[in-house]
Amino acid sequence: DTGVSQDPRHKITKRGQNVTFRCDPISEHNRLYWYRQTLGQGPEFLTYFQNEAQLEKSRLLSDRFSAERPKGSFSTLEIQRTEQGDSAMYLCASSTQGTGNTIYFGEGSWLTVV
Amino acid sequence: GDSVTQMEGPVTLSEEAFLTINCTYTATGYPSLFWYVQYPGEGLQLLLKATKADDKGSNKGFEATYRKETTSFHLEKGSVQVSDSAVYFCALSDQNQGGKLIFGQGTELSVKP
Repeated sequence: DTGVSQDPRHKITKRGQNVTFRCDPISEHNRLYWYRQTLGQGPEFLTYFQNEAQLEKSRLLSDRFSAERPKGSFSTLEIQRTEQGDSAMYLCASSTQGTGNTIYFGEGSWLTVV
Repeated sequence: GDSVTQMEGPVTLSEEAFLTINCTYTATGYPSLFWYVQYPGEGLQLLLKATKADDKGSNKGFEATYRKETTSFHLEKGSVQVSDSAVYFCALSDQNQGGKLIFGQGTELSVKP
């Protein structure tokens, strides 16, 4: 069990550029979640997948954000036309399905938009 | 919608002091409750959890009891250490809402030697 891994860990980009983050969940986990966390705040839910199906998207996920999990394994989160307000840590997490099952987090991908 | 409220920080304690971080929740269903900890520059780690009323979660000397009557899940530790300095997040999940976690705003704990 190698845990949830995210790449890149840090990304600095210019406003208007596109960025993509990748998440590799724990191998037997069928649920995958994306969260955003800004300094001094708790993580905010963005979206989640069960296998390859995206089952819920938060209102926080504007049209510039898109997430995919094409084969039910790894996932990507793309932000198009980045804005300074997108600067945050993007956390990926995974779990199996079931009441009270633990959700395991990766170490996050820091995004700074300059 | 469901929500979690935590006591505001930062909380500063001396080593070996008693710790309480208050957490209350609002939920329409029967959620599971969690405490996660985040050390500087790292992701979140599960500290403890409870899945039904009156369950007590415990780990590393920390404990919390799921109190349905007061909709609370307060975190306690009898004797904190400098290494406990971190940000603590209370969270709930409801399988009827995909099991996603809803977090409180976090409470920063600083323990001084």
